[in-house]
Amino acid sequence: QKEVEQNSGPLSVPEGAIASLNCTYSDRGSQSFFWYRQYSGKSPELIMFIYSNGDKEDGRFTAQLNKASQYVSLLIRDSQPSDSATYLCAVNEGSGTASKLTFGTGTRLQVTL
Amino acid sequence: EPEVTQTPSHQVTQMGQEVILRCVPISNHLYFYWYRQILGQKVEFLVSFYNNEISEKSEIFDDQFSVERPDGSNFTLKIRSTKLEDSAMYFCASSDYLRVRGNQPQHFGDGTRLSIL
Repeated sequence: QKEVEQNSGPLSVPEGAIASLNCTYSDRGSQSFFWYRQYSGKSPELIMFIYSNGDKEDGRFTAQLNKASQYVSLLIRDSQPSDSATYLCAVNEGSGTASKLTFGTGTRLQVTL
Repeated sequence: EPEVTQTPSHQVTQMGQEVILRCVPISNHLYFYWYRQILGQKVEFLVSFYNNEISEKSEIFDDQFSVERPDGSNFTLKIRSTKLEDSAMYFCASSDYLRVRGNQPQHFGDGTRLSIL
């Protein structure tokens, strides 16, 4: 059973701080890694994706991947109250196939004023 | 920005009835997916679809479930005889052509909340 693990939280950070969200995965064959944001009662919204070891930055968001440690993280700089949501880590294996996403349970982030 | 469209947003059905959930994927996408999320639980894969056939399905996707692309734009999920445990949010997703390394991101619709009474 391929697993994606996340701390369910809540992770509480003050406005303007850096939020750090972590995810581990069990399948060493995983090739593609995604972060989705999900507001309560809404659908997952793509935030970032990363395929290679290292960091990938997009605005206030940085995704970090370490395949040797089977670890992917998301940093949110200058956190805003509107960032309060559940962040889902999702993984799929291989490339060149329409393979499924395996999701973690999500980490609930609360950005406080 | 193009988006995945799902209808209806909420469907209430008696147990044992058939339901059809509808999706219009992003127009140039080739790969289509259904996921579900039971309240308070993680998003779970149901089925993927490419070139008019199922690519992969999960153990949830049993004989009660079927998918179809009846025309060039719609993608449907049918549940033949609904059970109480089918109550969940159902999300359709689509993705673009495949990369040489890694997979293209999947973009999700707003979902259909299915309530079985």
